[in-house]
Amino acid sequence: GENVEQHPSTLSVQEGDSAVIKCTYSDSASNYFPWYKQELGKGPQLIIDIRSNVGEKKDQRIAVTLNKTAKHFSLHITETQPEDSAVYFCAATGYSTLTFGKGTMLLVSP
Amino acid sequence: DTGVSQDPRHKITKRGQNVTFRCDPISEHNRLYWYRQTLGQGPEFLTYFQNEAQLEKSRLLSDRFSAERPKGSFSTLEIQRTEQGDSAMYLCASSSDRVPFYSPLHFGNGTRLTVT
Repeated sequence: GENVEQHPSTLSVQEGDSAVIKCTYSDSASNYFPWYKQELGKGPQLIIDIRSNVGEKKDQRIAVTLNKTAKHFSLHITETQPEDSAVYFCAATGYSTLTFGKGTMLLVSP
Repeated sequence: DTGVSQDPRHKITKRGQNVTFRCDPISEHNRLYWYRQTLGQGPEFLTYFQNEAQLEKSRLLSDRFSAERPKGSFSTLEIQRTEQGDSAMYLCASSSDRVPFYSPLHFGNGTRLTVT
């Protein structure tokens, strides 16, 4: 089955800096890669996703890049704000269920 | 769109007792998923339904766990003879197969189970 590795496990940045979270996956058949944000006491919330037919997708301050050859994808957050502080999860799937990484705790200091 | 609703939000039970959780998906979604999340980990897949049919079960789902989705609407997850290792957040998610390609999962806020 699919195996998703995510790093770093924690990331501390100053407000206004950029943050990058990286994931690798094992199943070359995977073709859908969402990113979720989870705040304390809440369920994961989808923030952006990318399909295998594109290499990059951007939504305001958030962007995701995908390298299918190397089997890795990354989340980029620019101009970070304190409200970006949360745990971020990457995930991957082919035609079955989502497999999640272990998460990255992002701390944005004012 | 009222989102995915889960009940209860918290459940404390003694080891050996049975517990049941409920999930109400987004109304137009025909797929429903159960995931389990422990501290410091990502969600782990347990099982999923398409309408009322349970199509896939993880090997994590021991025979003490049973899930149902009568009439393809809400779902229940029952854990019998709970063990301390069952303590976790149980997350429900829903999606639609009427969207081309892959439809995003929408998660509820989970039920946190503590087994004492």
